Amino acid sequence: DTEVTQTPKHLVMGMTNKKSLKCEQHMGHRAMYWYKQKAKKPPELMFVYSYEKLSINESVPSRFSPECPNSSLLNLHLHALQPEDSALYLCASSPSGLAEKNEQFFGPGTRLTVL
Amino acid sequence: DQQVKQNSPSLSVQEGRISILNCDYTNSMFDYFLWYKKYPAEGPTFLISISSIKDKNEDGRFTVFLNKSAKHLSLHIVPSQPGDSAVYFCAASARANKFYFGSGTKLNVKP
Repeated sequence: DTEVTQTPKHLVMGMTNKKSLKCEQHMGHRAMYWYKQKAKKPPELMFVYSYEKLSINESVPSRFSPECPNSSLLNLHLHALQPEDSALYLCASSPSGLAEKNEQFFGPGTRLTVL
Repeated sequence: DQQVKQNSPSLSVQEGRISILNCDYTNSMFDYFLWYKKYPAEGPTFLISISSIKDKNEDGRFTVFLNKSAKHLSLHIVPSQPGDSAVYFCAASARANKFYFGSGTKLNVKP
């Protein structure tokens, strides 16, 4: 298995809802990432887990809560989001932990719309 | 302020010719660079990387050139094929595996 999967593909939620995004990889990668991408903008890093520990939080608002239950799974819990949080949320993984530089493998993303 | 910039939002090239995609960066601490290709409704796919100890890296039809003094890198695709039509992102890293991405260049290869 050489891919990163993300579910759901699309999500529409109200500002009072609680939802979760899921990301999975079975390549034995040790680092996993959440990015946010708005239209015609570059992906922006949100969180990095390295060896299942949160290593980077790019000052993301607390309404986004990441979780890494095991080395293959990464969740992003969403609560009380704002319409401006509507974006494509990309998950990625890389073979080594955060300390080593290597390419990241991306999932197809979850298109989130907040009403 | 964006530390990695791709100043051409789009590029159109005839099949069989060379495609040159450019990327500029401002942070002199960046020492590792990646190029990604992205098709609609898919995540970015890794293409090629280069470390700052090199000025060129080649992989099949794809070559990346790095000019550290100019803080510039470019991706050459030769020969270009219609299947290469996609959005291309460059990304740069200074420390660890934290990357900054450019805003992308949409390449259209005409048959």
